[in-house]
Amino acid sequence: AQSVAQPEDQVNVAEGNPLTVKCTYSVSGNPYLFWYVQYPNRGLQFLLKYITGDNLVKGSYGFEAEFNKSQTSFHLKKPSALVSDSALYFCAVRDTRSGAGSYQLTFGKGTKLSVIP
Amino acid sequence: DTAVSQTPKYLVTQMGNDKSIKCEQNLGHDTMYWYKQDSKKFLKIMFSYNNKELIINETVPNRFSPKSPDKAHLNLHINSLELGDSAVYFCASSQFGQGEVEKLFFGSGTQLSVL
Repeated sequence: AQSVAQPEDQVNVAEGNPLTVKCTYSVSGNPYLFWYVQYPNRGLQFLLKYITGDNLVKGSYGFEAEFNKSQTSFHLKKPSALVSDSALYFCAVRDTRSGAGSYQLTFGKGTKLSVIP
Repeated sequence: DTAVSQTPKYLVTQMGNDKSIKCEQNLGHDTMYWYKQDSKKFLKIMFSYNNKELIINETVPNRFSPKSPDKAHLNLHINSLELGDSAVYFCASSQFGQGEVEKLFFGSGTQLSVL
């Protein structure tokens, strides 16, 4: 079974400061990992993904995430937060050992990011 | 042009009614999904169709029936609505292969309120 945990319900950060949104995962094989962002009254938007290769993945809007296999983590980061980054962030995982017909992501419960001016 | 569009945006109805939510994608994707987001923002997959064939059917009451007339459309019909069905329902699409594993494109959601 695959699962993902986002330990923080909410993260508050001052504008201009670096931000981190945490994510850990559990899979039996190797993971495909994703971050999505949801703005109020909108659907989720893809930010970035890790499939294989370089552990540091760069995505949209200046976000990046670091895959750490030993810690089974995929934390989302940004060097300098903007007020417009305030949104709900979802980490998601799929086990590469998922059988045919199991093309599904498991999403975390989401972390609300508030960037304070 | 909206990539994934779903209608209606808001749906308020009485318990026991039957309602449908429509979804269309103009991205040429071969896979479409329905997700349910509850009041705590927890997101859970309900169904997935690949080229009009059902490939994921999570533990969802059989009052929920998806219909895919073609690969650009995936509609969700709900019979005998219950209070617990109140949620935001998201349609999504993706294209497998070509290095685009699970890059989902979501619609803006349908807020269903059952009274």
